[in-house]
Amino acid sequence: DGGITQSPKYLFRKEGQNVTLSCEQNLNHDAMYWYRQDPGQGLRLIYYSQIVNDFQKGDIAEGYSVSREKKESFPLTVTSAQKNPTAFYLCASNSGTGRGMNTEAFFGQGTRLTVV
Amino acid sequence: GNSVTQMEGPVTLSEEAFLTINCTYTATGYPSLFWYVQYPGEGLQLLLKATKADDKGSNKGFEATYRKETTSFHLEKGSVQVSDSAVYFCALFSRDNYGQNFVFGPGTRLSVLP
Repeated sequence: DGGITQSPKYLFRKEGQNVTLSCEQNLNHDAMYWYRQDPGQGLRLIYYSQIVNDFQKGDIAEGYSVSREKKESFPLTVTSAQKNPTAFYLCASNSGTGRGMNTEAFFGQGTRLTVV
Repeated sequence: GNSVTQMEGPVTLSEEAFLTINCTYTATGYPSLFWYVQYPGEGLQLLLKATKADDKGSNKGFEATYRKETTSFHLEKGSVQVSDSAVYFCALFSRDNYGQNFVFGPGTRLSVLP
């Protein structure tokens, strides 16, 4: 089955550590996105990538980094510079091409990151 | 820039009641519109979509019509069930000279009581 997989589901980080969240998709989608969701809040865009080896900052990119070396993979690193990293992180992908048809985003199940 | 506005929640209804969650948007060009649903501790699932004016998206008894004249995409269901309790997000997808992106509303939490 095609889909988008995030791992791990739960992640604990000590203060001052970098951690990397995995996102893999086998949908052959060009575009991938990372969002942050805080309790009772909507989604805020961290980074997105429209094509391999290219990515753009979203609204809250500070303290995060990404790479897009393969079409299938878009890992997110939460660095020690992110002062309040405890949140639910969602990865998404879509075909990103054309207008109208088949532009819906497919989401992973999320990673809940907690700083301890 | 593009934006999505949703009615503030939480919304609490009794089982079999009629549901409306209002959504309006601001966008350049011709965005696609979506409703997503999120159950506790999970990612977002696509509920329905509409890609052009006057399209009606429908799924699992939910409906929404793309109204370009009022820039709205209100979600409706004639008879809600306890299992519909979740957070609902209205979203748009657009492409312009600067790139492409989704814009999500803040979400509306729905609680359905038996």
